Amino acid sequence: NAGVTQTPKFQVLKTGQSMTLQCAQDMNHEYMSWYRQDPGMGLRLIHYSVGAGITDQGEVPNGYNVSRSTTEDFPLRLLSAAPSQTSVYFCASSPRQGRSPLHFGNGTRLTVT
Amino acid sequence: DQQVKQNSPSLSVQEGRISILNCDYTNSMFDYFLWYKKYPAEGPTFLISISSIKDKNEDGRFTVFLNKSAKHLSLHIVPSQPGDSAVYFCAASADPFEYGNKLVFGAGTILRVKS
Repeated sequence: NAGVTQTPKFQVLKTGQSMTLQCAQDMNHEYMSWYRQDPGMGLRLIHYSVGAGITDQGEVPNGYNVSRSTTEDFPLRLLSAAPSQTSVYFCASSPRQGRSPLHFGNGTRLTVT
Repeated sequence: DQQVKQNSPSLSVQEGRISILNCDYTNSMFDYFLWYKKYPAEGPTFLISISSIKDKNEDGRFTVFLNKSAKHLSLHIVPSQPGDSAVYFCAASADPFEYGNKLVFGAGTILRVKS
């Protein structure tokens, strides 16, 4: 079982470049979300989606866009990368909006120079 | 302002002894709490959870205790094993119908179990 798959695993960008972090899940989960992990700050919610066509902002949404055209995919777009976006990004999903533990991917380590 | 705090960045325990990881929260709307374990280069994996209607939940070697009046929860691992060495994150959520399945995480505690 693949679970939550994130690509790429590593990425280096120059300031001002754009890119898309991919996330796909094969568990037919309705809820998907993106977190970033920074030292001393835990994981912070960027954007989330409760189903195809529905997205909303989390705690730290600035500089990021998302879309949810299918149940399986939830890409995260960096519009114009900044050094402050250097982080490890995790995609997560759960069966429904509710008391279900999130299933996480293995993360994308992004460095912006 | 962090709503979920793990004040111990790291903890070192001898194999076979008890590991106690602590977590405090400030938002009284939180009513569901989870612990995740994370190994290097992997995503967090769910370990155990507790609802605010309980004060204790056990799963094998792992027990989570919740003290609502103190807004404090703890994770006990007994006995600790070297494979338990990882980063442990405490997380909390409020009513999902009002706030969505959004988890608020603490900064994590690095647990090292020495053999």
